[in-house]
Amino acid sequence: NAGVTQTPKFRVLKTGQSMTLLCAQDMNHEYMYWYRQDPGMGLRLIHYSVGEGTTAKGEVPDGYNVSRLKKQNFLLGLESAAPSQTSVYFCASRASGSTDTQYFGPGTRLTVL
Amino acid sequence: TQLLEQSPQFLSIQEGENLTVYCNSSSVFSSLQWYRQEPGEGPVLLVTVVTGGEVKKLKRLTFQFGDARKDSSLHITAAQPGDTGLYLCAGRAAGNKLTFGGGTRVLVKP
Repeated sequence: NAGVTQTPKFRVLKTGQSMTLLCAQDMNHEYMYWYRQDPGMGLRLIHYSVGEGTTAKGEVPDGYNVSRLKKQNFLLGLESAAPSQTSVYFCASRASGSTDTQYFGPGTRLTVL
Repeated sequence: TQLLEQSPQFLSIQEGENLTVYCNSSSVFSSLQWYRQEPGEGPVLLVTVVTGGEVKKLKRLTFQFGDARKDSSLHITAAQPGDTGLYLCAGRAAGNKLTFGGGTRVLVKP
């Protein structure tokens, strides 16, 4: 039982390049989330999904797209990376109860030059 | 947008001292969670409080949810170096999304 895994762990991009971050969970959770974490700002929600085939915008969705084709995977895409997207990205998942524990992955550190 | 403000932003204390971290908002939350995050890792849930006025204890950590469910505090008694980390509060309101505070970085020196 690996929990929530993220790939890659680190990535450096040039402005304008694209990339996809992969999140996988093996807990059969319905809900999955993508956050970004910047110093002093806690975690901000980018996009989330309440089930396979559904996605919704969070607090800071601009410049990102997501897909949830399979229940266990949640992909975050950057079509044209910008330096403002330099951040640490965390994926999380939880079951459907409102007080259920949210489990986080180890994060992906992305630098956009 | 519901905002959660944490204070202080940074706290450095000696082993054995007590500390309190605060989490405040003008919004009401149905539940509030506290997480601890260590360098290079994702946040790990410590506790969820649901009822106004609720107090939960986890060994040397005491969590309290305000009566009006707008604020919370985390108190650590006799802090140890293993308590070092980033403490995050997060409130859940309508729509089931979590809103995170900016975090409090705690350093406990031996």
